[in-house]
Amino acid sequence: DQQVKQNSPSLSVQEGRISILNCDYTNSMFDYFLWYKKYPAEGPTFLISISSIKDKNEDGRFTVFLNKSAKHLSLHIVPSQPGDSAVYFCAANPGGSSNTGKLIFGQGTTLQVKP
Amino acid sequence: NAGVMQNPRHLVRRRGQEARLRCSPMKGHSHVYWYRQLPEEGLKFMVYLQKENIIDESGMPKERFSAEFPKEGPSILRIQQVVRGDSAAYFCASSTNIQWPQHFGDGTRLSIL
Repeated sequence: DQQVKQNSPSLSVQEGRISILNCDYTNSMFDYFLWYKKYPAEGPTFLISISSIKDKNEDGRFTVFLNKSAKHLSLHIVPSQPGDSAVYFCAANPGGSSNTGKLIFGQGTTLQVKP
Repeated sequence: NAGVMQNPRHLVRRRGQEARLRCSPMKGHSHVYWYRQLPEEGLKFMVYLQKENIIDESGMPKERFSAEFPKEGPSILRIQQVVRGDSAAYFCASSTNIQWPQHFGDGTRLSIL
């Protein structure tokens, strides 16, 4: 049962344009969401996060939007750069009174930014 | 480099052998998480430890797998009597507390012959 879903396995965009990566989740109790970037043979690198009490968080070229009613979040990268080419993982913290901080990850979306 | 350190980076074992994966968290981090990534999949939570305590092992297989985080030294993920299905990348992450983002090591790629 996939509680966090990234339905697009891959995405290709032109350098300088906007990249939009999408993520859906099933559990309305999830209260904290993160995006990680991963290069081959390396560990995931934290990019940006958002709490369920917000609907937007911005950090430089990266913005995450959260739509709680739709159980959907997205990561916008603008402008996209070739160095952004990587696998992007969406992750959720289940929250709740017994929260241990464990993360539930989506399957990942491979972003390719073409020069 | 004060990041999360994992070793070895690559580990090859034959079926039936034991695999030991080590993780040293970032300085000042007392929360350690282990995740497993199978090919073409996302990371799956295995276990969460604090010093000398297992807090959440809900993602650990019931048999052959164990984890520890002793008072001194790295966290260890131990897999006994490995099988081919254990082949995966194993990632360790650490954080200052459960409210902060987890920072990951570069993983150990375990291959079972």
